[in-house]
Amino acid sequence: DSGVTQTPKHLITATGQRVTLRCSPRSGDLSVYWYQQSLDQGLQFLIHYYNGEERAKGNILERFSAQQFPDLHSELNLSSLELGDSALYFCASSLAGLVVNEQFFGPGTRLTVL
Amino acid sequence: EDKVVQSPLSLVVHEGDTVTLNCSYEVTNFRSLLWYKQEKKAPTFLFMLTSSGIEKKSGRLSSILDKKELFSILNITATQTGDSAVYLCAVLNTGNQFYFGTGTSLTVIP
Repeated sequence: DSGVTQTPKHLITATGQRVTLRCSPRSGDLSVYWYQQSLDQGLQFLIHYYNGEERAKGNILERFSAQQFPDLHSELNLSSLELGDSALYFCASSLAGLVVNEQFFGPGTRLTVL
Repeated sequence: EDKVVQSPLSLVVHEGDTVTLNCSYEVTNFRSLLWYKQEKKAPTFLFMLTSSGIEKKSGRLSSILDKKELFSILNITATQTGDSAVYLCAVLNTGNQFYFGTGTSLTVIP
């Protein structure tokens, strides 16, 4: 158990819908990272937040957005869902922000878009 | 275009063998290279390498980075069935963006 929690574990929804994935980092970690893992694209970095502020953006679609709250938990919002958004979404946390150190991954949320 | 290429794509070995996994990269503004192990769940962090020529070791695993030739290797000695996993390589740039390779799937046969 990494200490990072993600909810829900599984999510099944329809095209065009909007969902919110939640991540709670390890106690004391200030950084949260979001990743998408699909069979055809592999693991892709989406976005990094540090202490409530966006630090880096990767291949995140405009339909996706994220935020990190004052209690340091983070949410990833996916809207206008398409079949291709079906994937495993991981969040990870680490202590530092500007210089990445060891990351701890949550168990993931499996999103299925029908 | 920034990219990370891992080889081989898959590997089957017997317990006790030594394996070498390769990761080459073309990423602008390189900061670090990271290795992860992924079994049937979330990735777990193995190493982060920033400087050339300095070997990082953890038990039977070791890794080294060559920033001139733009590659890294991950060595696993005396492999065990518990080493069976996908090994992912990622490069982090100075903008804190990650670029992942597609991974090497390692299967260790008893």
